[in-house]
Amino acid sequence: GAGVSQSPSNKVTEKGKDVELRCDPISGHTALYWYRQSLGQGLEFLIYFQGNSAPDKSGLPSDRFSAERTGGSVSTLTIQRTQQEDSAVYLCASSLSPGGGQETQYFGPGTRLLVL
Amino acid sequence: GQQLNQSPQSMFIQEGEDVSMNCTSSSIFNTWLWYKQDPGEGPVLLIALYKAGELTSNGRLTAQFGITRKDSFLNISASIPSDVGIYFCAGTKNTGNQFYFGTGTSLTVIP
Repeated sequence: GAGVSQSPSNKVTEKGKDVELRCDPISGHTALYWYRQSLGQGLEFLIYFQGNSAPDKSGLPSDRFSAERTGGSVSTLTIQRTQQEDSAVYLCASSLSPGGGQETQYFGPGTRLLVL
Repeated sequence: GQQLNQSPQSMFIQEGEDVSMNCTSSSIFNTWLWYKQDPGEGPVLLIALYKAGELTSNGRLTAQFGITRKDSFLNISASIPSDVGIYFCAGTKNTGNQFYFGTGTSLTVIP
């Protein structure tokens, strides 16, 4: 597709269960970002991928959160043993060529996670 | 990442009025971006600025890259009800790897 896609669009889970969120970036975009947005709040940076490596994981809130990217394309954000405070919208974004001076970031529609 | 200082936090205006919001940073930025987020959606890019002093328009929207490279503003002229949403500024520094976001301006347009 032309834009960033994310799945699922909504996820309801029980406390303590693991969840996987998927992001398909725009084709050819080498950089991929994960953010978290709580209700009515701004964007909280989680992790950044350049290709398949993650030079910046500084935003991951705990060791329950992990992410990987394969083939320089699809990325998966995994939350283990979910807690109610993990409830939020998880946004993925991609950009073409970081450091090239013309950075522009495009967002997916997000995955709305609710932990009961 | 680091949050940019964005103001105002919220605005309530009458349809037809002009709107102005701005974003400031203590650091120099190489890129300024403005996004709009509708409820239940991801942020959508409105305008991208890459050069100090650059003034760019997109329909009723106009944005400028501050000459000091530490600020940017977004103007919306003749507001309409569909302008309602949250507007975010974002920027990148010299390495360009990480995007820093403002805290958002919530815009309400009263018909």
